[in-house]
Amino acid sequence: SQTIHQWPATLVQPVGSPLSLECTVEGTSNPNLYWYRQAAGRGLQLLFYSVGIGQISSEVPQNLSASRPQDRQFILSSKKLLLSDSGFYLCAWAEGLYNEQFFGPGTRLTVL
Amino acid sequence: QKEVEQNSGPLSVPEGAIASLNCTYSDRVSQSFFWYRQYSGKSPELIMSIYSNGDKEDGRFTAQLNKASQYVSLLIRDSQPSDSATYLCALRTGSARQLTFGSGTQLTVLP
Repeated sequence: SQTIHQWPATLVQPVGSPLSLECTVEGTSNPNLYWYRQAAGRGLQLLFYSVGIGQISSEVPQNLSASRPQDRQFILSSKKLLLSDSGFYLCAWAEGLYNEQFFGPGTRLTVL
Repeated sequence: QKEVEQNSGPLSVPEGAIASLNCTYSDRVSQSFFWYRQYSGKSPELIMSIYSNGDKEDGRFTAQLNKASQYVSLLIRDSQPSDSATYLCALRTGSARQLTFGSGTQLTVLP
């Protein structure tokens, strides 16, 4: 069966510091991968998605970037964090005809 | 107009009652519909998918889709306190890789 991992689970970072969040999926090949952000009490905002190694689509212009160096690895990065980057970051994977998405446990980021 | 609209709630029902959650959408080309459950502080969990008009039942959950009226609903029978969560409606348009999510309805089941 498929499993999705995210780390770290929680992170507290100062404004202006860099960021690297990692997501890995097990038990599947060539999945579609997604990064979402959920601000406190808000809905899901799609940040990036990828249909293959090195293929990244950005949904929202911002100071974040994403990379997919391996088939089942998806990385979210920032060179300088802003206060507004605080939130719950969720990675998801999907495959198949209907593209059902399954979420990882998430990373809760607080920028101070 | 938002692409996916949900009543934010909170919706409160007594234990054992039927909880009815509704979602309307604006894009008539939408083809795939999903319901996610999100407990406080946790990630969303897929609980139902529906692709054609009519009802789809899975245990205590029933998803209903009416493409002509552009709405999809989720019924939870015999509601339990453990069903208390935020329920997110999502849809996929055509062959798009992305899902569009509603803002969610908060459900509280009172013991």
